[in-house]
Amino acid sequence: SYVLTQPPSVSVAPGKTARITCGGNNIGSKSVHWYQQKPGQAPVLVIYYDSDRPSGIPERFSGSNSGNTATLTISRVEAGDEADYYCQVWDSSSDHQVFGTGTKVTVL
Amino acid sequence: QVQLVQSGAEVKKPGASVKVSCKASGYTFTSYDINWVRQATGQGLEWMGWMNPNSGNTGYAQKFQGRVTMTRNTSISTAYMELSSLRSEDTAVYYCARAPSIRDAFDIWGQGTMVTVSS
Repeated sequence: SYVLTQPPSVSVAPGKTARITCGGNNIGSKSVHWYQQKPGQAPVLVIYYDSDRPSGIPERFSGSNSGNTATLTISRVEAGDEADYYCQVWDSSSDHQVFGTGTKVTVL
Repeated sequence: QVQLVQSGAEVKKPGASVKVSCKASGYTFTSYDINWVRQATGQGLEWMGWMNPNSGNTGYAQKFQGRVTMTRNTSISTAYMELSSLRSEDTAVYYCARAPSIRDAFDIWGQGTMVTVSS
């Protein structure tokens, strides 16, 4: 089965840039979606199709995808960005949705 | 506004079944797939399967094949997920989430339903 690997944690100071990676075999050939989940809440879509932002998501959130790594970038990080972040792809070989292992972003 | 509202928390004994509902409002229920995702306490997101409310077609994660059934009642814009032969490892929050099609992102999520399996 297809595996998506994320770093367990990322720490960043306010105002700086956080980069969260999502590694998978030839993930650049797939479409990657990203979700933000705060404690006790349902996930919220922040990036879809590698780099598109849903309405209401700040421009500080951006995404890229190439080769074996997709990246979610959060610029000018704010305290409110502290959350767990998950990547997701559709694996056509198994007809399964696959979520990444998740990354906890801590704002210092 | 567009929303998915799920049924309340459940406590079940091992071996029992649970049926969680997900009521859609603010959009045409049959125009979006409904996916089910669960999350054990302190763990990541786990996809369980999807259903097309228009056709009733379903696709289940291999892990849950034979134990999960996804259905719908289009007259009341409600999707259901039933999980049988419950064990303690099934204790988790269960979410429904909509997507335009099987490959698309989940743009709207329900609030989650806590299912506890305990003797």
